[in-house]
Amino acid sequence: SQTIHQWPATLVQPVGSPLSLECTVEGTSNPNLYWYRQAAGRGLQLLFYSVGIGQISSEVPQNLSASRPQDRQFILSSKKLLLSDSGFYLCAWTRTGTGRRDTQYFGPGTRLTVL
Amino acid sequence: AQRVTQPEKLLSVFKGAPVELKCNYSYSGSPELFWYVQYSRQRLQLLLRHISRESIKGFTADLNKGETSFHLKKPFAQEEDSAMYYCALVSSGAQKLVFGQGTRLTINP
Repeated sequence: SQTIHQWPATLVQPVGSPLSLECTVEGTSNPNLYWYRQAAGRGLQLLFYSVGIGQISSEVPQNLSASRPQDRQFILSSKKLLLSDSGFYLCAWTRTGTGRRDTQYFGPGTRLTVL
Repeated sequence: AQRVTQPEKLLSVFKGAPVELKCNYSYSGSPELFWYVQYSRQRLQLLLRHISRESIKGFTADLNKGETSFHLKKPFAQEEDSAMYYCALVSSGAQKLVFGQGTRLTINP
């Protein structure tokens, strides 16, 4: 069966520090991968998605970036965190080529607090 | 542009009462619509999709293209229905979902 992992579960970082959040999927090959941010009062915002290794589509211009160094690994990064980067970050996956119809499976999320 | 609007951030009803969570969308083509749910301390997960025309946990949702709505309904709410509900849309040819802002549903005993 397929599983999706995210770490860390919680993170407290000072403003201006770097960020690296990791997401990995097991039990499937070549998934579509997604990063979302869930902020209070703002719903679920798609940040990045990837349909293959090295292929990243950015949805929202910001100081975050994403990378997909391996087939089932998706990383969210920042060189310098802002207070506004605080939130709950969710990773999700779908089967290849079926993103528009197939279920999105979500990870447990990372709670990021920037102080 | 594709947009999903959930006008109610918070909704509170009593156990046994009917519940309706509103969702309106903006898209000129033929969208596919979903409802996702996040129970306390659980992951966000799919509840139902319009294309399946199914009832899950007593919930149903009908796509109304004339009113561009996809409201989620349940005739008799249960306490375990308390959760955060998101309506989402996939546009034709897209690889991504557009989510609404979510509605937190609380069922009072």
